[in-house]
Amino acid sequence: SQTIHQWPATLVQPVGSPLSLECTVEGTSNPNLYWYRQAAGRGLQLLFYSVGIGQISSEVPQNLSASRPQDRQFILSSKKLLLSDSGFYLCAWSVPGTGAGRTDTQYFGPGTRLTVL
Amino acid sequence: SQKIEQNSEALNIQEGKTATLTCNYTNYSPAYLQWYRQDPGRGPVFLLLIRENEKEKRKERLKVTFDTTLKQSLFHITASEPADSATYLCALNQGGKLIFGQGTELSVKP
Repeated sequence: SQTIHQWPATLVQPVGSPLSLECTVEGTSNPNLYWYRQAAGRGLQLLFYSVGIGQISSEVPQNLSASRPQDRQFILSSKKLLLSDSGFYLCAWSVPGTGAGRTDTQYFGPGTRLTVL
Repeated sequence: SQKIEQNSEALNIQEGKTATLTCNYTNYSPAYLQWYRQDPGRGPVFLLLIRENEKEKRKERLKVTFDTTLKQSLFHITASEPADSATYLCALNQGGKLIFGQGTELSVKP
């Protein structure tokens, strides 16, 4: 079966410090990978998605970046955190596919709660 | 671009009653629509998917309808239990990605 891991679970960082959040998926190959941010009481904001190693699409201009150094590893980074970067960060994966059988159903990790002070 | 609207106000119901949550979208009808459950501090969990050519889908106590004329999906939980209390999100596909609604918080009181 497939599992998705995120770490750390919680993180408190000062403004201006760097950030690295990691997501790994087990039990599947060549998944589509996604990073979302969820502010308190708000919906999911798609930040980045990737359809393969080194292939990253950015959805929202910001001071965050993403990388996919391995097939099942997705990293979210920042060189200098802002107060507005605080939130709940979720990684998700889906089975890539085309045609009538495609669903794009996403499977989420446990999330990382980031607080920037 | 596609927009999704879910009831922003929390839904409070009594245990044993049927909960009905609404998801409305604004533009083109998607090929399929999905519902997810999210508990506080956790990631969303996939519940059900319904395709545009399906009127209704059931899974245990859950039922989803999809009306492309009204541009609406309804999500029902019958015989609700306190354990059903959570936020429920609907999502539509768009270009290989999912667009999520803001979610509706459901609270089932014993």
